[in-house]
Amino acid sequence: NAGVMQNPRHLVRRRGQEARLRCSPMKGHSHVYWYRQLPEEGLKFMVYLQKENIIDESGMPKERFSAEFPKEGPSILRIQQVVRGDSAAYFCASSPYTGGAGGDTQYFGPGTRLTVL
Amino acid sequence: GESVGLHLPTLSVQEGDNSIINCAYSNSASDYFIWYKQESGKGPQFIIDIRSNMDKRQGQRVTVLLNKTVKHLSLQIAATQPGDSAVYFCAETNTGNQFYFGTGTSLTVIP
Repeated sequence: NAGVMQNPRHLVRRRGQEARLRCSPMKGHSHVYWYRQLPEEGLKFMVYLQKENIIDESGMPKERFSAEFPKEGPSILRIQQVVRGDSAAYFCASSPYTGGAGGDTQYFGPGTRLTVL
Repeated sequence: GESVGLHLPTLSVQEGDNSIINCAYSNSASDYFIWYKQESGKGPQFIIDIRSNMDKRQGQRVTVLLNKTVKHLSLQIAATQPGDSAVYFCAETNTGNQFYFGTGTSLTVIP
C-alpha cells in the first residue's frame, strides 16, 4: 500500500515564475492537507481539502497561493509569481474519514523542497 | 492563535537510555494529539497518538503521556537507539481540520 506521494521532490524556480506541487494521497484517503516548513521550524498548516472542495484555507496566503483537489488526479498546490520567501519544504498529508472526534491521523509525504532563486 | 511549544530544543542521550521529550500546548479544547518523528530530508512519520479521554498510551518502545490539567504532553522512548536520532514534533488539534505543530526537539543518540 503506497504511502503519500509528492512530486517533484525538489523544485527550483526563479522569482516571478510559477511553482506547482503535486500530492497523491494514500489509497482510500479522501482528505488532503498542505503544510509549509521553514528550516529549523515546525510545520505550519496551509489548507485542508476534500475531493473538489476546499474545507479550510485559513493558513494559506490570500495572494499568489491556491490549492485544488480534483475528482480525478492529485492535489495541486500552486504558487504564482514566486518570491524568495516562498523557499521552504512543502508537505502534504492525507487521512481517511473515520469520524473520530477531534480528527484523524494524518500521514505525510516526503515533501517538495522549493528553492526560489 | 494556537501555541504548541517544546521545553527543550535539543536532547542528547546515551544509546540504551530512556528518552523523554516534552511538549506544552495552550488550547485546552484540543482533544487529539500526535507525536511525529522527522529525519533529515524526509516527511514527518507518525509515531503514536492519544485522544483527550486518555492519559497514557503505549506503543512499541514508546509511551505518550497526556496531562490535561497542565496542558502537557510527553513522549518516552525506551532503550533509545541510534536510529531514533531525529527531530520530534508534537501536534494537536481540536477541529480535525488542521494540526498545530511545535517547533520540534532534536534528539541525538550517542553510541
